Amino acid sequence: ILNVEQSPQSLHVQEGDSTNFTCSFPSSNFYALHWYRWETAKSPEALFVMTLNGDEKKKGRISATLNTKEGYSYLYIKGSQPEDSATYLCASPGGTSYGKLTFGQGTILTVHP
Amino acid sequence: EPEVTQTPSHQVTQMGQEVILRCVPISNHLYFYWYRQILGQKVEFLVSFYNNEISEKSEIFDDQFSVERPDGSNFTLKIRSTKLEDSAMYFCASSKTTLTDTQYFGPGTRLTVL
Repeated sequence: ILNVEQSPQSLHVQEGDSTNFTCSFPSSNFYALHWYRWETAKSPEALFVMTLNGDEKKKGRISATLNTKEGYSYLYIKGSQPEDSATYLCASPGGTSYGKLTFGQGTILTVHP
Repeated sequence: EPEVTQTPSHQVTQMGQEVILRCVPISNHLYFYWYRQILGQKVEFLVSFYNNEISEKSEIFDDQFSVERPDGSNFTLKIRSTKLEDSAMYFCASSKTTLTDTQYFGPGTRLTVL
């Protein structure tokens, strides 16, 4: 059974702070690692799909890195803003062929003005 | 920008009743999925659907559940006889390909079983 874990469970930061959180996954049978941003009452928004060891992706103030050998990915937010407040989810398809994603429990980020 | 839509946004039903949750995936996508999140738990996979048939399903997806793509645009999840433990947020998703392609999610249907 594929197990994807995220830490911390929740995070409170002040506006302007930079922050990061972790997603860990089994390093064997790795295909991809997906990051999503989910605000309440909205669709989870796809941030990144990462596939290669050492991959680094960036979208505005958000970036992510991937280490497939040790089985973790970091998500960084630079200069957090209140609108960054959301739940950040990571997910991996593991070794299945049809795209079934196994999700972590999410990190709830609250950015205080 | 194309998006996945779901209806209704909230459904309340009595235990034992049948419910149908509806989704319109992105039009040129080929793979379709249902996931759910019970409050306080992880988002969990229910079923994937490709080429008009189920390609993979979880152990949760028992005989009470079924999926259908009745026409070229809709994708539905039916729960035949709802149980209290079926109360959850149900998400539909779609993608062009699998594994390394982005899955685009709808906003979810909140199902409450009384």
